[in-house]
Amino acid sequence: QKEVEQNSGPLSVPEGAIASLNCTYSDRGSQSFFWYRQYSGKSPELIMFIYSNGDKEDGRFTAQLNKASQYVSLLIRDSQPSDSATYLCAVAYYGQNFVFGPGTRLSVLP
Amino acid sequence: DTGVSQDPRHKITKRGQNVTFRCDPISEHNRLYWYRQTLGQGPEFLTYFQNEAQLEKSRLLSDRFSAERPKGSFSTLEIQRTEQGDSAMYLCASSTAGTGEYEQYFGPGTRLTVT
Repeated sequence: QKEVEQNSGPLSVPEGAIASLNCTYSDRGSQSFFWYRQYSGKSPELIMFIYSNGDKEDGRFTAQLNKASQYVSLLIRDSQPSDSATYLCAVAYYGQNFVFGPGTRLSVLP
Repeated sequence: DTGVSQDPRHKITKRGQNVTFRCDPISEHNRLYWYRQTLGQGPEFLTYFQNEAQLEKSRLLSDRFSAERPKGSFSTLEIQRTEQGDSAMYLCASSTAGTGEYEQYFGPGTRLTVT
């Protein structure tokens, strides 16, 4: 059974701080990794994807991947109240076998 | 460039009835996925098409669930003899099949309530 684990939170950070979200996965064969943001009552929105070990930056977001440790993280710099949402980690074998974690609720306090 | 669309957005049905949902993917996308999401959980994979071929189906998908993508464009998901446990958000996502491109984009979802 392939598993993706996330701390359910809530993770509370003050406005302007760095939010750090973590995800671990069980399947060593996984090759593609995704972070989605989901507001309450809405569908998931893709914010980052990473396929190679290391860091990938896009604006205020940085995804970090360590395949040896089976660990992927998302950093959100200069957190804003509008970043308050549930963040879903998803792991796949290229374009197949997608498995989502339960999500981490982030609350950015003004 | 329109995104993934789903219809209907909400469906209320009585236990035992059949329901059908439709998903229209992003036009150039040839991969299409169906998921189910319940409150407090991440999306749970149901099935996956590449063009019109159904390539993967979750073991969790009972015989009451069936999906089609007859012309490799839109897809339908049918649930027969609905049960209260089927109440959930049903999400459709699409992606290209290009090498190195695996990102999925979700539609707004269909919220099913079985009474």
